[in-house]
Amino acid sequence: QVQLVQSGAEVKKPGSSVKVSCKASGGTFSSYAITWVRQAPGQGLEWMGSIIPIFGTPNYAQKFQGRVTITADKSTSTAYMELSSLRSEDTAVYYCARVWIGTAMASLAFDIWGQGTMVTVSS
Amino acid sequence: DIQLTQSPSFLSASVRDRVTITCRASQDIGTYLAWYQQKPGKAPKLLIYAASTLQSGVPSRYSGSGSGTEFTLTINNLQPEDFATYYCQQVNSLYTFGQGTKLEIK
Repeated sequence: QVQLVQSGAEVKKPGSSVKVSCKASGGTFSSYAITWVRQAPGQGLEWMGSIIPIFGTPNYAQKFQGRVTITADKSTSTAYMELSSLRSEDTAVYYCARVWIGTAMASLAFDIWGQGTMVTVSS
Repeated sequence: DIQLTQSPSFLSASVRDRVTITCRASQDIGTYLAWYQQKPGKAPKLLIYAASTLQSGVPSRYSGSGSGTEFTLTINNLQPEDFATYYCQQVNSLYTFGQGTKLEIK
């Protein structure tokens, strides 16, 4: 069974960058996409971007284009999300999740989630 | 971008009640819709995909329906562990989540 384990909490200054990792165990890492979702305190879920490790080409939500970089290291089964030019509004829990694609039509969802990484942006 | 609007945003109900949450999409997404449950301090949990297919291990009191632009999540015979926040998500064109529905105990 695939498990996703994320790196620990971070406190960053405005204007800096943060890089969160998501290590997969079980399953074949390269065969599925990894996606990143964030949740500001008391707010809803916001999709940031995804990557399929075997292809290595990410896609990003328009809101984060130019500020987010998602990568994957097949050798260590680890995905990374780096967010730059941090501001206070980026304070949130950042989740990685597996993008599951089934064989039946429309069978696509985020079925396995990491535990979340709290990123606090404060001067 | 496809927008999703959930209603209501807050819902108060009692154990053994039946509740329905609606999710409306800004354009036709077929059945490319998933539902998640989230409890405080925890990651979301997948409940339903393809609008109406129950994820393995999810109790049968949960059901989903709809296609196109209007979808519903129904929970029959509410149990204490069902009180949480629920999100719909479109997976037709990239991904978008609804704003969430918080289900509270009356």
